[in-house]
Amino acid sequence: AQSVTQLGSHVSVSEGALVLLRCNYSSSVPPYLFWYVQYPNQGLQLLLKYTTGATLVKGINGFEAEFKKSETSFHLTKPSAHMSDAAEYFCAVSPSGYNKLIFGAGTRLAVHP
Amino acid sequence: DSGVTQTPKHLITATGQRVTLRCSPRSGDLSVYWYQQSLDQGLQFLIQYYNGEERAKGNILERFSAQQFPDLHSELNLSSLELGDSALYFCASSAGSYQETQYFGPGTRLLVL
Repeated sequence: AQSVTQLGSHVSVSEGALVLLRCNYSSSVPPYLFWYVQYPNQGLQLLLKYTTGATLVKGINGFEAEFKKSETSFHLTKPSAHMSDAAEYFCAVSPSGYNKLIFGAGTRLAVHP
Repeated sequence: DSGVTQTPKHLITATGQRVTLRCSPRSGDLSVYWYQQSLDQGLQFLIQYYNGEERAKGNILERFSAQQFPDLHSELNLSSLELGDSALYFCASSAGSYQETQYFGPGTRLLVL
């Protein structure tokens, strides 16, 4: 069965520091991959997605993610954290042949001054 | 604002009761998805409808049912409610039915007392 693992349920960084949120998936066939962000008391907002083609994907708010097939990873990065980036981040896969999204457990990002 | 609307925003009810959650997809989207977000289970796919027909089923309890109407809005019916059904219920929509980007509504927070 497909699964998504997000390493680290909580990540804390200083403002201006690099943000790295890790995501690994299990799939024999590369799925479509997504990162969503959830701000407090809000729904999920799409940050970026990988379908096919270029493995480095740029998203909104300065985030990007790199699809590495050999490592079955899709880590999310941002060069410089802002206070407004504090939120919960979810990695998700859409398996080939399916319509549903399978989500990881989420990583809560805290940004401190 | 994703363009997906959900009502009500909050719902408080008692065990054994029945409730209906409503979702209006983005204009032009034919697929509607329902997800449950709880502390112990995380974000789980429940069910998908495409243009009025059930397309995919996930971890949806038999006490739960859904439908999509001709105007494409969808309702999720939860019956014989238990304490463990307390969760955030999200609706998402997409244009098509296959590995499409899903846009999420703000959610309905259900509290069963």
